[in-house]
Amino acid sequence: DTAVSQTPKYLVTQMGNDKSIKCEQNLGHDTMYWYKQDSKKFLKIMFSYNNKELIINETVPNRFSPKSPDKAHLNLHINSLELGDSAVYFCASSQGPRTVSYEQYFGPGTRLTVT
Amino acid sequence: RKEVEQDPGPFNVPEGATVAFNCTYSNSASQSFFWYRQDCRKEPKLLMSVYSSGNEDGRFTAQLNRASQYISLLIRDSKLSDSATYLCVVNRAGTALIFGKGTTLSVSS
Repeated sequence: DTAVSQTPKYLVTQMGNDKSIKCEQNLGHDTMYWYKQDSKKFLKIMFSYNNKELIINETVPNRFSPKSPDKAHLNLHINSLELGDSAVYFCASSQGPRTVSYEQYFGPGTRLTVT
Repeated sequence: RKEVEQDPGPFNVPEGATVAFNCTYSNSASQSFFWYRQDCRKEPKLLMSVYSSGNEDGRFTAQLNRASQYISLLIRDSKLSDSATYLCVVNRAGTALIFGKGTTLSVSS
């Protein structure tokens, strides 16, 4: 059973397009995250939701809009894609944000290439 | 100054070697500390948490020095399967994990 799943795994698209990435977790966790890993392999938090409520919103262009329809799902919609958006996007989940010691479980990543 | 800094390596060692990775963090409010492992083109996975008293898991030993804001990971008797990128990670209450850029380890036979 896949704990954290993402679709699609690969996404190739042209500049200016709008695309969405979906994430689902079956661990019963309350908190979900989106991370971006750029070409230099630096992994950086973008957003975090706890029970469908946005709790972390790092300095991310407003072309990126997360949506959490329920606590098991966190989707990421990107408008007007730019070349610099090319990266691997990881979804993750954890039991809760306030207890700092909880392990985060990552999805397999979505490799986005903007041409 | 970056919040979490690591020597990127790469560290190239033979099988059986002992290798140590270091990490420093800048925010003294950091409360939790971890080492994650990331294989090439895969997602990060928790290797071990790091406790103030130091902790060991098989061939892996993690140490934390809060006064120096320094974290270390020691791998003894390196295996080929240890080849990966090791990510130093810190967390402050109510925030997401802050990742270092990672240290790449390559173990050869």
